[in-house]
Amino acid sequence: DIQMTQSPSSLSASVGDRVTITCRSSQHINNYLNWYQQKPGKAPKLLIYAASSLQSGVPSRFAGSGSGTDFTLTISSLQLDDSATYYCQRSSYSPLAFGQGTKVEIK
Amino acid sequence: EVQLLESGGRLVQPGGSLRLSCAASGFSFSDNTMSWVRQAPGKGPEWLSGILGNGGTTFYADSVKGQFTISRDNSKTTLFLQMNSLRVEDTAVYYCAKDRLGGDGYWDFDFWGQGTLVTVSS
Repeated sequence: DIQMTQSPSSLSASVGDRVTITCRSSQHINNYLNWYQQKPGKAPKLLIYAASSLQSGVPSRFAGSGSGTDFTLTISSLQLDDSATYYCQRSSYSPLAFGQGTKVEIK
Repeated sequence: EVQLLESGGRLVQPGGSLRLSCAASGFSFSDNTMSWVRQAPGKGPEWLSGILGNGGTTFYADSVKGQFTISRDNSKTTLFLQMNSLRVEDTAVYYCAKDRLGGDGYWDFDFWGQGTLVTVSS
């Protein structure tokens, strides 16, 4: 199976900081990579699909990049509301897989 | 407005069976691939199974293949997950999720239900 590895597993940053989360695939997956945000007790929310396309309604401070095996989620200016766990997800079958998550805390 | 409402989760003994339902509304249900995703306490999401819009093609994670069965009733806009031979490690919140686009599986989930808790314990 293709493995998805996220880093870091957690981070703490201040409001206004630029935050970068990486996701690496063990095999080439073109741009079949999505990013989700999850807050406690809630379902995941789609932020980015196809590696770099912003889902409707998601603030423009979120951006995705990458192709092949290495992908990045960037929050350009961290806001209080961005405190959450972020997951990458491979959307090339099979089987589908999520990364292990990155917990973002606000200092 | 898209709505997905899961039901059927409860406490069940190891070895037992359970059928989850997901009632969908607000979109063309029969056009969309649907999936089940679970999340064990303190863990990340785990995709379990998906089914194309016409119900004729299904996909499973290795971890549940032969144990879980996905199905759908497009006339009732409802998705199902039949779970057999349940184990303690199947304890999780189970979500149904909708593909962002209609057609064959794109596997990017733009709407999720609120989840239903399945607890497997003696």
